[in-house]
Amino acid sequence: QVQLVESGGGVVQPGRSLRLSCAASGFTFTSHGMHWVRQAPGKGLEWLVVISYDGSKKYYADSVKGRFTISRHNSMNMLYLQMNSLRAEDTAVYYCAKDQGMVATGIEYWGQGTLVTVSS
Amino acid sequence: QSVLTQPPSVSAAPRQKITISCSGSNFNIGSNYVSWYQKLPGTAPKLLIYDNDKRPSGIPDRFSGSKSGTSATLGITGLQAGDEADYYCATWDRSLTAVVFGGGTALTVL
Repeated sequence: QVQLVESGGGVVQPGRSLRLSCAASGFTFTSHGMHWVRQAPGKGLEWLVVISYDGSKKYYADSVKGRFTISRHNSMNMLYLQMNSLRAEDTAVYYCAKDQGMVATGIEYWGQGTLVTVSS
Repeated sequence: QSVLTQPPSVSAAPRQKITISCSGSNFNIGSNYVSWYQKLPGTAPKLLIYDNDKRPSGIPDRFSGSKSGTSATLGITGLQAGDEADYYCATWDRSLTAVVFGGGTALTVL
């Protein structure tokens, strides 16, 4: 079955960087777009970014454009999110998610999430 | 302020039915498929409805989805205590070139 396992979360100071990873299994990774979505404490779901099946297309939310970078390693079934210049408002649970299709048809599976806390 | 508008909360008694609306525009709901997710505290979101009205395997037929123009609706019949959760709609917005979520609707089963 589909498994998405995020890692890399933790406590980081404002202005620093963090890289999240997502290990995917149970499906043909190279055929699906992949997303990162977050949920801040007490807030709703916020979509951040999607990368196409082959990594050629990337679309970002304005809130993270220029600070966050998505990438994927298809031969290792891995998805990444490089987060730079972190702010307190980036504190959230970050979810890796699998799309139905090759880019952004619709999110169909979610990982369990990894908590990122930005605090001095 | 979310691009897709959902009511903040809805409530009903067990065994009753509810609907949750999701309102958007021609750039998003009006031109793309809508998905619905259930979010319980401390757990990952779960897909309930995709492509406006399709249920993934394992989702009971108490859950239904529909779309008309620039609005979508999630319906839940035979409410159970375990249905208490937050529900989110989502779709692609071709103007923003982004996935957009509704603000979420908290369902209380009285």
